[in-house]
Amino acid sequence: AQSVTQLDSQVPVFEEAPVELRCNYSSSVSVYLFWYVQYPNQGLQLLLKYLSGSTLVKGINGFEAEFNKSQTSFHLRKPSVHISDTAEYFCAVSEGRGSTLGRLYFGRGTQLTVWP
Amino acid sequence: ETGVTQSPTHLIKTRGQQVTLRCSSQSGHNTVSWYQQALGQGPQFIFQYYREEENGRGNFPPRFSGLQFPNYSSELNVNALELDDSALYLCASSIQRTSGRYEQFFGPGTRLTVL
Repeated sequence: AQSVTQLDSQVPVFEEAPVELRCNYSSSVSVYLFWYVQYPNQGLQLLLKYLSGSTLVKGINGFEAEFNKSQTSFHLRKPSVHISDTAEYFCAVSEGRGSTLGRLYFGRGTQLTVWP
Repeated sequence: ETGVTQSPTHLIKTRGQQVTLRCSSQSGHNTVSWYQQALGQGPQFIFQYYREEENGRGNFPPRFSGLQFPNYSSELNVNALELDDSALYLCASSIQRTSGRYEQFFGPGTRLTVL
């Protein structure tokens, strides 16, 4: 089974500062990696995903993540955060299973709070 | 807008009752997965359906069951509700494009409260 560890449950940061949300996974096979954002009382919105190719993935809202296979990490970064980035962020991993995308394994989430 | 809708948005039930949650996916999305997200937790995989057959199940008891229909809609049924079933239930539909890449989209969720 796979597992995902989000190393920080809460990350407070001031507006316009850079931020990194850390994610490590355990898997013995090739995986697909995702970051989702969840605003209060809403569903999950995909920020970015790594399926193959370049290890640096750019997503929406200025976020990017780097896949590091040797360290089994997929950390999320943004060079300058805004108050509107305040939300819960989830890292997830999945295996492709032929013609279907397998189940997603989620981390426990990181609450990013941006202060003015 | 993901093209995945769920109904109802909120629901209140009492212990022992049964509930049916619904999800409508985009045309062509032949895979649907259901997740349970308890308060303060990450989503947990309940099960997945592919072309109307169960294609994987997480660590949930048999009172959690599902159906997928040819019109790309699906249902999650929970019998004998327990207080711990209170959660946000998320539906996700996915498709593999001709390029081989997967696309997956989540619905907004149904908030179930069991009293």
